[in-house]
Amino acid sequence: AQKVTQAQTEISVVEKEDVTLDCVYETRDTTYYLFWYKQPPSGELVFLIRRNSFDEQNEISGRYSWNFQKSTSSFNFTITASQVVDSAVYFCALSKAGTASKLTFGTGTRLQVTL
Amino acid sequence: DTGVSQNPRHKITKRGQNVTFRCDPISEHNRLYWYRQTLGQGPEFLTYFQNEAQLEKSRLLSDRFSAERPKGSFSTLEIQRTEQGDSAMYLCASSPRDRGHEQFFGPGTRLTVL
Repeated sequence: AQKVTQAQTEISVVEKEDVTLDCVYETRDTTYYLFWYKQPPSGELVFLIRRNSFDEQNEISGRYSWNFQKSTSSFNFTITASQVVDSAVYFCALSKAGTASKLTFGTGTRLQVTL
Repeated sequence: DTGVSQNPRHKITKRGQNVTFRCDPISEHNRLYWYRQTLGQGPEFLTYFQNEAQLEKSRLLSDRFSAERPKGSFSTLEIQRTEQGDSAMYLCASSPRDRGHEQFFGPGTRLTVL
């Protein structure tokens, strides 16, 4: 069975602070994909990143960066210099690799960025 | 490309009534997924289609739930004899043939069962 744990229910930061959202996963699959999605107040899930289990290279995209550590089964997400528009619920998700497969989501972390 | 669209966006119904939701995926996306999201939780998988074939169903999908994708394009999700516990956001997602693991989500249909 697959499981994703996002222990941080809610985080509040002041604009321009850096913030890291934690994600820990469990799977028996040897190959898998990890994802982050953003759900703003409008409700629509927005795809942010997909990472293959065999690629542990960290990734940076603008103010966003992701740290994948297979040894600790973690896939953490850092927002640098946070902005009010980053306020949303962020979900980490996991799926099997090989063929298109369902996503198993964590319970999400609500990020509130204030001025 | 237009995104995934879902109709209606909101549905209020009385317990015991049947409801049907529609999802139109992104054009030429061959895979279509349904998820359910309750308050404070992440989306939970319900079912998945590849073209018109329903390939996987979650045990969450009781016999009151049925989904179809008759021509491999739009999909419908029907809930019969609704219960208050069915109140949730129902999300549809689609993915393209060449990037099957990237699921693009619609805005969802929020169901309230009174």
